[in-house]
Amino acid sequence: KQEVTQIPAALSVPEGENLVLNCSFTDSAIYNLQWFRQDPGKGLTSLLLIQSSQREQTSGRLNASLDKSSGRSTLYIAASQPGDSATYLCAVINDYKLSFGAGTTVTVRA
Amino acid sequence: DGGITQSPKYLFRKEGQNVTLSCEQNLNHDAMYWYRQDPGQGLRLIYYSQIVNDFQKGDIAEGYSVSREKKESFPLTVTSAQKNPTAFYLCASEGLQGGGTEAFFGQGTRLTVV
Repeated sequence: KQEVTQIPAALSVPEGENLVLNCSFTDSAIYNLQWFRQDPGKGLTSLLLIQSSQREQTSGRLNASLDKSSGRSTLYIAASQPGDSATYLCAVINDYKLSFGAGTTVTVRA
Repeated sequence: DGGITQSPKYLFRKEGQNVTLSCEQNLNHDAMYWYRQDPGQGLRLIYYSQIVNDFQKGDIAEGYSVSREKKESFPLTVTSAQKNPTAFYLCASEGLQGGGTEAFFGQGTRLTVV
């Protein structure tokens, strides 16, 4: 069974600092990995999708890397802003199922 | 606009009642999922469906039932056998998008037992 772990569980940084969020998974035979953002009481918004053949994806201030062999992905958010405060979740797809980590809750202080 | 629609946004259930949560997608995706989210916890998979008229139990299927009669629709019924149904329920679909498979979520239904 795929286990997905996200560290740290919570993170508080001053505005402008770069954010580093970690995701690890136990079964490296994944089809792809996806990072999501969740605001309180809302659904999940897709941020970045990394296919298993890719090593990274970038969108604006966001960059995600994938190392399948070691079962790790890292989400970098550059120059954080208060609007980046949310919970960030990573999910992997294998065996036709999406498996999620518990998320990292980020607070960016103005 | 393509997307996933969950309804209702808020739902209240009396003890012993069955309730059905709606999930509709117009993304032409084959795969659909139901997750449960409890405060401070991650998403737990209830049921998933890869194709019409077929679905599989997830990690916490007891007390829930689903149907997949149409590609666009994947309703979830929370039965009276589910002893602790108060939670936030999220529906997702997954399919080919821009060269890779990608998952999209609805805005969720918050179910409360009264």
